[in-house]
Amino acid sequence: DSGVTQTPKHLITATGQRVTLRCSPRSGDLSVYWYQQSLDQGLQFLIQYYNGEERAKGNILERFSAQQFPDLHSELNLSSLELGDSALYFCASSQRGGGETQYFGPGTRLLVL
Amino acid sequence: ILNVEQSPQSLHVQEGDSTNFTCSFPSSNFYALHWYRWETAKSPEALFVMTLNGDEKKKGRISATLNTKEGYSYLYIKGSQPEDSATYLCAFVGGSNYKLTFGKGTLLTVNP
Repeated sequence: DSGVTQTPKHLITATGQRVTLRCSPRSGDLSVYWYQQSLDQGLQFLIQYYNGEERAKGNILERFSAQQFPDLHSELNLSSLELGDSALYFCASSQRGGGETQYFGPGTRLLVL
Repeated sequence: ILNVEQSPQSLHVQEGDSTNFTCSFPSSNFYALHWYRWETAKSPEALFVMTLNGDEKKKGRISATLNTKEGYSYLYIKGSQPEDSATYLCAFVGGSNYKLTFGKGTLLTVNP
């Protein structure tokens, strides 16, 4: 158990809908990362937050947005969902956000029908 | 676009065999190289973070080496056991923004 929690574990929704994925980092970690794992892709970095502020952006679509709250939990919002958004979404956390070890949550499996 | 390549894509070995696989990454703007172990139905788990050229790290039967000048790292498993079966991921960290760029992984299957 990494200490990172994610909810929900599974999510089934329809095209065009909007969903919110939630992540709580390990106690003491200030940085949160979101990754997407699709069938034929490796882990793709989406976005990083550090102590409430966006720090780095990866291949995140405009339909997706995220934020980190004062209690350091983070939410990833996915809107106007398409079939291709079906994937495993991981959240990870680290202490400082400076390239050190990241601890991954159990992931949320999203299926868009 | 950063290119992080892992080879082979998959590997089947017998229990007791020693094995190794490769991660290739850009040799410029290097900050760190991570190795993670990802078992089916679980989440990636950190093995090593390597930062210095020539670094060697060891954890039980698993070890890793790093060559930042030529842009590669090797992961070695000595005396493979069935519980070593997993996907092994490497991730390159560049010095400009510290984000991790993952390779697609090497899927190791150890047959009893």
